[in-house]
Amino acid sequence: DSGVTQTPKHLITATGQRVTLRCSPRSGDLSVYWYQQSLDQGLQFLIQYYNGEERAKGNILERFSAQQFPDLHSELNLSSLELGDSALYFCASSVVSQMGTEAFFGQGTRLTVV
Amino acid sequence: AQSVAQPEDQVNVAEGNPLTVKCTYSVSGNPYLFWYVQYPNRGLQFLLKYITGDNLVKGSYGFEAEFNKSQTSFHLKKPSALVSDSALYFCAVRDMSGNTPLVFGKGTRLSVIA
Repeated sequence: DSGVTQTPKHLITATGQRVTLRCSPRSGDLSVYWYQQSLDQGLQFLIQYYNGEERAKGNILERFSAQQFPDLHSELNLSSLELGDSALYFCASSVVSQMGTEAFFGQGTRLTVV
Repeated sequence: AQSVAQPEDQVNVAEGNPLTVKCTYSVSGNPYLFWYVQYPNRGLQFLLKYITGDNLVKGSYGFEAEFNKSQTSFHLKKPSALVSDSALYFCAVRDMSGNTPLVFGKGTRLSVIA
């Protein structure tokens, strides 16, 4: 168990809908990262937060947004969902946002858009 | 921009034989390098990392990796493969210079045959 908790584990929703994925980082970790894993694209970095502030942005669509709350949990909001958004979404956390610290991953949320 | 290449989508090895999973990287400065493993329906688990110092890094489950700066490589190795090592392996890189997230390769599926 990595200590990173993601809910829900599975989500099935229709095109055009909006969903929220939740992540609780490991105790003491200030940095949270979101990744999308799909079969053809591998593991794509979406966005990073550090202590409540956005730190880095990757290939995140405008229909997607995220935030990190004062208690350090994070939410990834996906709206106007399309079939192609079906993927495994991972949250990871680390103690600091840079240097040689590894990130610890949650078990992911499998999103299926039908 | 940093990037990682894992040239083999699939590696097959017989149980008891040595295994190598290849990784090459590209960064503007000095790298931090990581290996992660993903078992079916699980999140990514940290295996080992190279920060500085000895080019041979030892990690979990008997895995090790060799950093080669001239070849910009960080190959994962294990002297004797187990069937339980069968999984998806990801190499990742982070640039030392800034607040950059981990960038992952597309993954290599390792299959160890009894």
